[in-house]
Amino acid sequence: GAVVSQHPSWVICKSGTSVKIECRSLDFQATTMFWYRQFPKQSLMLMATSNEGSKATYEQGVEKDKFLINHASLTLSTLTVTSAHPEDSSFYICSAAGSGQREGLNSYEQYFGPGTRLTVT
Amino acid sequence: QKEVEQDPGPLSVPEGAIVSLNCTYSNSAFQYFMWYRQYSRKGPELLMYTYSSGNKEDGRFTAQVDKSSKYISLFIRDSQPSDSATYLCAMSYQGAQKLVFGQGTRLTINP
Repeated sequence: GAVVSQHPSWVICKSGTSVKIECRSLDFQATTMFWYRQFPKQSLMLMATSNEGSKATYEQGVEKDKFLINHASLTLSTLTVTSAHPEDSSFYICSAAGSGQREGLNSYEQYFGPGTRLTVT
Repeated sequence: QKEVEQDPGPLSVPEGAIVSLNCTYSNSAFQYFMWYRQYSRKGPELLMYTYSSGNKEDGRFTAQVDKSSKYISLFIRDSQPSDSATYLCAMSYQGAQKLVFGQGTRLTINP
């Protein structure tokens, strides 16, 4: 239980284009979803927190106009990297938290997706 | 000073050894303590979850929290090559869902 999926798992795009990454909670309702980025051999850096039906809260230093987050339902959140540049190349990981069908799942446990590797050429 | 400090390693031990992974933190307001395992190019997987101080055991894994010392540990008994991964500690405040991660420790178990 507590499965989170991401799509695509990897993507290569040209500089200046936009890329959308989807994050889905498959067997529980995610009241909150989080988006992280991770550089090689480094820890996860939180980019933003989104609650279903409301605007995302971005961490300091994260450009909200560049990283558009939409949390349209309790099972889906999307991250769109707009006008991507090579420095946006990274591993993007989402996580989901919230009450759900699985016994023992509570809002303080975040379940992570498998990540999306973005390469901007 | 970072809120959560974790030695990045790498740490290499022989199969069957007991592994000890640790994190220290500076903010006494942290109440929830998690350990995640991350394989290369994969998302983190929740291993252990502890509230406040104390020990928690799950199979070969034991998590310890010492709030007085602001120190948490993860012990792996009878380590296996499949345990080779990066281990991340994470913490959160009471009433908050935002996690603060350590840098992660790269662990290799040698057959």
